[in-house]
Amino acid sequence: RKEVEQDPGPFNVPEGATVAFNCTYSNSASQSFFWYRQDCRKEPKLLMSVYSSGNEDGRFTAQLNRASQYISLLIRDSKLSDSATYLCVVNHGGRGSTLGRLYFGRGTQLTVWP
Amino acid sequence: DTAVSQTPKYLVTQMGNDKSIKCEQNLGHDTMYWYKQDSKKFLKIMFSYNNKELIINETVPNRFSPKSPDKAHLNLHINSLELGDSAVYFCASSQGMGGGALYFGPGTRLTVT
Repeated sequence: RKEVEQDPGPFNVPEGATVAFNCTYSNSASQSFFWYRQDCRKEPKLLMSVYSSGNEDGRFTAQLNRASQYISLLIRDSKLSDSATYLCVVNHGGRGSTLGRLYFGRGTQLTVWP
Repeated sequence: DTAVSQTPKYLVTQMGNDKSIKCEQNLGHDTMYWYKQDSKKFLKIMFSYNNKELIINETVPNRFSPKSPDKAHLNLHINSLELGDSAVYFCASSQGMGGGALYFGPGTRLTVT
């Protein structure tokens, strides 16, 4: 089983739509969670961290459900510029060989059309 | 101001050659990484260094050898390149190893012919 699993999409939505991405992780000891965004032929960039109580940054809302080992990202009022691949990322924390390891999902592709 | 830079951006070379990719970060971070992104877009860690000390050494062929002359630089040398090495290689840095966010370089697109 992969460390981090995401629905690869693609998601094709019109401008203004609300879209949600989901992600599950396999290691219950995971400690840190992130969403990254990767534009075509570019490097991944941190979009937002995901906190236990859920957090919001403008049109973006991230949720974490530790019991279900599930992370979500909600984008409201989609813009054309939101078109990208969204990567779910999990850090196991811990010690030894797992320290510092970030595990990336394969990414969910989003296209917002006018 | 480029936070994490890599050179070269593109690298086309023939099988059997030896090549190096260089990475530098000016963020003052103490941890640097090499990630490989294959044709299926899957990002996988290869190595990480903390204050010039090798911390993570994933199961990669020993043809790949990282070198960190100081905590702001992490280079990757690849010997005897193979077709399967074709990928995008990303350098990244973070402050500490405990799960902080990564800052990626622009990537080096390696094509082995």
